[in-house]
Amino acid sequence: ETGVTQTPRHLVMGMTNKKSLKCEQHLGHNAMYWYKQSAKKPLELMFVYNFKEQTENNSVPSRFSPECPNSSHLFLHLHTLQPEDSALYLCASSQEGDREEAFFGQGTRLTVV
Amino acid sequence: QKEVEQDPGPLSVPEGAIVSLNCTYSNSAFQYFMWYRQYSRKGPELLMYTYSSGNKEDGRFTAQVDKSSKYISLFIRDSQPSDSATYLCAMSDRDNRKLIWGLGTSLAVNP
Repeated sequence: ETGVTQTPRHLVMGMTNKKSLKCEQHLGHNAMYWYKQSAKKPLELMFVYNFKEQTENNSVPSRFSPECPNSSHLFLHLHTLQPEDSALYLCASSQEGDREEAFFGQGTRLTVV
Repeated sequence: QKEVEQDPGPLSVPEGAIVSLNCTYSNSAFQYFMWYRQYSRKGPELLMYTYSSGNKEDGRFTAQVDKSSKYISLFIRDSQPSDSATYLCAMSDRDNRKLIWGLGTSLAVNP
């Protein structure tokens, strides 16, 4: 596989569930990102990891918990979400410092019921 | 006032038309200007990347930056149905490189 791969593509979860989103990049990049894309809102950067270390958390609620075990994999653990958390969650990767040229995955469409 | 303003459209044009997509911004510190294309059910992909002012051309696409007016444009010549997508502008300043995104403009090119 090439590029940035996200699984699952679609996820429906109840507010009391726990689920995880997975992202894998095959581009040799050392920075990875989680974005949230909601209707009628600009893209929101949630977390940034450089060389497996979290370098940015943009005031994201603690019900979203990221994990980056290595430079190729990124997870977003979800628990006790709210309906307003329903959105497209995008993973991206780039070389460190080149976020403008990040490659995006296809996203996970999350619906919280 | 939003930092970046972009008309969400939708914009519908016939095949072969010249398309003009625009964003305005308020922060004069922005130095890097990007256009991304996002097809339905896909993530955004970088289309054009311009530093500071001026024009940049790549095939049928031309990006323009007018810093005096705080206005950027993306022109698509000889538009094709395959250009149908949402086009997002984004920009950042030299210091913190935090990307500020527009809402995206939905474009439909009709055969």
